Amino acid sequence: DTGVSQDPRHKITKRGQNVTFRCDPISEHNRLYWYRQTLGQGPEFLTYFQNEAQLEKSRLLSDRFSAERPKGSFSTLEIQRTEQGDSAMYLCASRGTRPPYEQYFGPGTRLTVT
Amino acid sequence: DQQVKQNSPSLSVQEGRISILNCDYTNSMFDYFLWYKKYPAEGPTFLISISSIKDKNEDGRFTVFLNKSAKHLSLHIVPSQPGDSAVYFCAARRDFGNEKLTFGTGTRLTIIP
Repeated sequence: DTGVSQDPRHKITKRGQNVTFRCDPISEHNRLYWYRQTLGQGPEFLTYFQNEAQLEKSRLLSDRFSAERPKGSFSTLEIQRTEQGDSAMYLCASRGTRPPYEQYFGPGTRLTVT
Repeated sequence: DQQVKQNSPSLSVQEGRISILNCDYTNSMFDYFLWYKKYPAEGPTFLISISSIKDKNEDGRFTVFLNKSAKHLSLHIVPSQPGDSAVYFCAARRDFGNEKLTFGTGTRLTIIP
């Protein structure tokens, strides 16, 4: 399977703990995106990378959130001091520089903060 | 401020008939629109897209129509099949260099056999 993969698929954590998610994009894709989806809503943009450079961050990405893509391949999203409001599905997507330019999504990591 | 709106949370259609999913947007800077389909426990899957310079794009059973003056787009699925049962998201993007997709809240389509 050469699609976008995310790990873990599910994470349950207690309030105040730190969590880290990983995303592996499609191998030839240089752009990688993080979105968050809460119940009854569509995905909301958090941030994106072109290679290892983080080029845009949403105001949704508070300073408890940090994303990295150190070698321009996989990416990690860390949430520090989790809060119950962080409970959501975290989606990763990637796209290449040749057509088609659409973003291809991974299966997501479902975070539950108790 | 919901810039992309899908006002129908759910839609049921008989198998073989046409499914029409609607989407409205408020930001006139959007110039590229996409439809994604999502099954439970999976990420959204790209279906079809349309640029603002067109008013129609067709791909097999799926056709997207864009009415820029009304800031409205629709996805037509003909004929509808049971495997089309899923949540459909409309998404919009500004100019090509702007990467952020803005999504609607989704419409759950159920195809009745």
